[in-house]
Amino acid sequence: DAKTTQPNSMESNEEEPVHLPCNHSTISGTDYIHWYRQLPSQGPEYVIHGLTSNVNNRMASLAIAEDRKSSTLILHRATLRDAAVYYCILREFGTGGFKTIFGAGTRLFVKA
Amino acid sequence: NAGVTQTPKFQVLKTGQSMTLQCAQDMNHNSMYWYRQDPGMGLRLIYYSASEGTTDKGEVPNGYNVSRLNKREFSLRLESAAPSQTSVYFCASSALQGITEAFFGQGTRLTVV
Repeated sequence: DAKTTQPNSMESNEEEPVHLPCNHSTISGTDYIHWYRQLPSQGPEYVIHGLTSNVNNRMASLAIAEDRKSSTLILHRATLRDAAVYYCILREFGTGGFKTIFGAGTRLFVKA
Repeated sequence: NAGVTQTPKFQVLKTGQSMTLQCAQDMNHNSMYWYRQDPGMGLRLIYYSASEGTTDKGEVPNGYNVSRLNKREFSLRLESAAPSQTSVYFCASSALQGITEAFFGQGTRLTVV
């Protein structure tokens, strides 16, 4: 199974952009890159996903390296509500369909 | 729109007791998943069901059984609870083939004493 590597924690100032990196050097050609975040005492929440091209949505942007071995989640203006654990995961196709395996994630601290 | 609903929210079991965690989704999703999350850790996949009538093991299936009762419901059973199964359990669902996002329930906090 392809795995992801993320920094344990990062810190940002409020209102500034945040770049959260993720390495996935063993990614296969059909793996989608997904990002989720988890606020304290809540279930994970979908943020964004992509395959090869960069993606934007109302929450964030996803920049995918040309060789797909790394990606970066970009929060354009961090707020205190963005303080959470961010998970970079690969959606892998198993024998019964797509499954999702999470790594340890990056804990983002946002300072006022 | 309720999304993914898990019951119960909290449970305390004695070692050796059995129980079933319930999960239901109202989004007409084909795929459903059960995860556990230990303190300070990421989520680990226990079992998943790609579609109604099928189930498959994830990373940590030992000590658990699942049932995909129908398209809406996916239950997780602990036959003989052990303290090592103390954890927060999350159920999730996603559309067919899982290329789209997964939606998670609020979790069941289980303590085995």
